[in-house]
Amino acid sequence: SSVLTQTPSVSVAPGQTARITCGENDIGNRRVEWYQQKSGQAPVLVAYDDYDRPSGIPERFSGSNSGTTATLTISRVEAGDEADYYCQVWDSYTDHYVFGTGTKVTVL
Amino acid sequence: EVQLLESGGGLVQPGGSLRLSCAASGFTISDYAMSWVRQAPGKGLEWVSSISGSGQSTYNAGSVKGRFTISSDNFKNAVYLQMNSLRAEDTAIYYCAKTMSVSTGYASHYWGQGTLVTVSS
Repeated sequence: SSVLTQTPSVSVAPGQTARITCGENDIGNRRVEWYQQKSGQAPVLVAYDDYDRPSGIPERFSGSNSGTTATLTISRVEAGDEADYYCQVWDSYTDHYVFGTGTKVTVL
Repeated sequence: EVQLLESGGGLVQPGGSLRLSCAASGFTISDYAMSWVRQAPGKGLEWVSSISGSGQSTYNAGSVKGRFTISSDNFKNAVYLQMNSLRAEDTAIYYCAKTMSVSTGYASHYWGQGTLVTVSS
């Protein structure tokens, strides 16, 4: 089954850009979703179908997906963006959802 | 307003059983696939089970196959997770989530606040 690899941690200064990657051999051919989870809270969907944003999610959050890497980009990072971020795909071969290993974003 | 309220968590001994409930409001569960996702203490998210809006298709992670069963009740507008033969490694917060489609395979755009299951003697 799929294994989604994420960089364990990313540190970024306020106002700068954070890029969170999710790697898998065939990810460019899958739909990728991204979730933000702040400490002690339930996950929140921040991007779906590779690059779409749910209502209420700022345009600063953008997704892309090509080849072996999907990326969630957070522009003009704010202190409130500090959280764990997870990618997710649906593996149609196994009929399983798969979550990435998670990336902790720290705002300096 | 969409709301998901999980209940049924608690402390259970290894080998025991629990039934988690997810009461949905603000939408009709037969129109959407639903999932259970768990998070062990200090760990990442792990998908557990999903059920289609029709209730006819269910899917389970390998780690719980044969032990956990997902079901739904359209009259009560609720989803359940029957957990049998519980192990210490099943200790986690269990979240109920609503997907964006009647079929599984899509993003979960609403989540409950979770219910804690602790398996320990």
